Amino acid sequence: GDSVTQMEGPVTLSEEAFLTINCTYTATGYPSLFWYVQYPGEGLQLLLKATKADDKGSNKGFEATYRKETTSFHLEKGSVQVSDSAVYFCALSFSGSARQLTFGSGTQLTVLP
Amino acid sequence: DAGVIQSPRHEVTEMGQEVTLRCKPISGHNSLFWYRQTMMRGLELLIYFNNNVPIDDSGMPEDRFSAKMPNASFSTLKIQPSEPRDSAVYFCASSFPGENEQFFGPGTRLTVL
Repeated sequence: GDSVTQMEGPVTLSEEAFLTINCTYTATGYPSLFWYVQYPGEGLQLLLKATKADDKGSNKGFEATYRKETTSFHLEKGSVQVSDSAVYFCALSFSGSARQLTFGSGTQLTVLP
Repeated sequence: DAGVIQSPRHEVTEMGQEVTLRCKPISGHNSLFWYRQTMMRGLELLIYFNNNVPIDDSGMPEDRFSAKMPNASFSTLKIQPSEPRDSAVYFCASSFPGENEQFFGPGTRLTVL
């Protein structure tokens, strides 16, 4: 079945450090890929997405590129802020009437001032 | 704009009691999803509906759990009888027709004593 694997957390960085959170997927076909973010005490919010190979999703300084050859969608940010502290989820979904999301296990990020 | 609305936000109950969680999806969305989030198991899809019809309930842990969607603007998740291991945060999410992106509610934190 389809699956998403994320790098294990927690990740702790100093403010202004470079962030990478790895995500790889296993799927039959070519899914759409997503990063969701969950701030403390809140529900998940879509951070960015990419729907086809080589697409780059970006939002709030975060970026991720859909790499078909490596089945990856790694999340990056050049300079993190304390306010980026949250749990980040990688997910995939296929087109169709169901459009069910398959989530990774989540990566806790803590940014220290 | 109102997002996905869930109630109650917090519920504390005793083992054996019936619990009903409520969700109002975003107007115009035709897919609705119920998730459960725990530290041990992460984010799990319990059930989802398309056009008020349950499509896949394979994630419902056991017969004590049931979900209904009587109309396009309301859904319930019921646990009867509740057990301590049901303690978790329960999220409802909805999506537009033909779209992959899901919009999450703030969640209901359930504690079963």
